[in-house]
Amino acid sequence: EDQVTQSPEALRLQEGESSSLNCSYTVSGLRGLFWYRQDPGKGPEFLFTLYSAGEEKEKERLKATLTKKESFLHITAPKPEDSATYLCAGIGGSQGNLIFGKGTKLSVKP
Amino acid sequence: NAGVMQNPRHLVRRRGQEARLRCSPMKGHSHVYWYRQLPEEGLKFMVYLQKENIIDESGMPKERFSAEFPKEGPSILRIQQVVRGDSAAYFCASSPPDGTGELFFGEGSRLTVL
Repeated sequence: EDQVTQSPEALRLQEGESSSLNCSYTVSGLRGLFWYRQDPGKGPEFLFTLYSAGEEKEKERLKATLTKKESFLHITAPKPEDSATYLCAGIGGSQGNLIFGKGTKLSVKP
Repeated sequence: NAGVMQNPRHLVRRRGQEARLRCSPMKGHSHVYWYRQLPEEGLKFMVYLQKENIIDESGMPKERFSAEFPKEGPSILRIQQVVRGDSAAYFCASSPPDGTGELFFGEGSRLTVL
């Protein structure tokens, strides 16, 4: 069964303290690995798509990377406004829908 | 360019009533997906539709739940005879026809069953 697992479930950082969020996946024929940000009471907001191992994408303080088994979301010098739940999702060769992990809830304290 | 529009944002129903949730995809998007999110749980896929067609309903409960995406008008997720366990946030997403897999989500409809 295809699965996406995120760790840690929650992460508390001080402002400026860099860290990484992990997303491990077992998705047959992975066609894409996606990262979303979700704020409380809001819908997920698209961040990145990664298509092949070795690929990297950056946006402001965020950088997403992909290997054959996992993806990382690196957060450099985070600010309090980066506090949110970060969701990882994969789509496989035979599917039309994304399979989501449960997310990592990030809190950045000033 | 308007995003994915969902309404109502909040809906309260008593047990046994019906709930109808509506979703208008982004302009130019022809694929619609419905997901359910329970507190502390991830987004769970329910159904994937194109205009007038259900492509994949493998995540839909067998009873009481139905979805449609008519030729004209929004997609509708219908829950009949609601129970307390149906209380959740229901998210609609749409994607362009290019098949990249990127989904763009609405703000969700939060259903509370009393």
